Amino acid sequence: AQTVTQSQPEMSVQEAETVTLSCTYDTSESDYYLFWYKQPPSRQMILVIRQEAYKQQNATENRFSVNFQKAAKSFSLKISDSQLGDAAMYFCASIQGGSEKLVFGKGMKLTVNP
Amino acid sequence: EPEVTQTPSHQVTQMGQEVILRCVPISNHLYFYWYRQILGQKVEFLVSFYNNEISEKSEIFDDQFSVERPDGSNFTLKIRSTKLEDSAMYFCASRAGTRAFTDTQYFGPGTRLTVL
Repeated sequence: AQTVTQSQPEMSVQEAETVTLSCTYDTSESDYYLFWYKQPPSRQMILVIRQEAYKQQNATENRFSVNFQKAAKSFSLKISDSQLGDAAMYFCASIQGGSEKLVFGKGMKLTVNP
Repeated sequence: EPEVTQTPSHQVTQMGQEVILRCVPISNHLYFYWYRQILGQKVEFLVSFYNNEISEKSEIFDDQFSVERPDGSNFTLKIRSTKLEDSAMYFCASRAGTRAFTDTQYFGPGTRLTVL
């Protein structure tokens, strides 16, 4: 079975600071992708960053980067220079080989304080 | 930038009634999805749809649920006889191409279904 766990329901960060959101996953497949989605209030989920399981290099997208620890099945998201617009729900998700479905964690609410 | 849209944003219905949730995927996308999120719980996959057929479905997607692409632009989820436990936020998503891994699934804003 494929599972994704986000154990922190809420976090807060000061504007311009760095914050790390944690996620662990479990899968029996060797072929899978991991994702972080962001959902601002009353808006749709948008993809922040993705990581291919076969790649050792951690993905980065501007201020967003991941720390992918395959052996530990950990996939954390680091947001550098936090901005007010980063305030949102953040969902960790995975998709595995041969499947169409994204499996999500419960989400984490990030507050950015000015 | 093209977006997935969903209507209505909020639907209230009586238990036992049929509801149809509507989605307009991004226009050149080929794969379509429904997910739902019961309050306080995880977003859960319901069904995927490609080439006018269901390609994958979860155990949640029983005979009470059906999906349709009636006119080449809309993608609908029908719940035939709603139950209290169907109350949730329902998300539609779509993606463009042939690789589930590398394509991004684009989500709509959701329809909040309340069953009384």
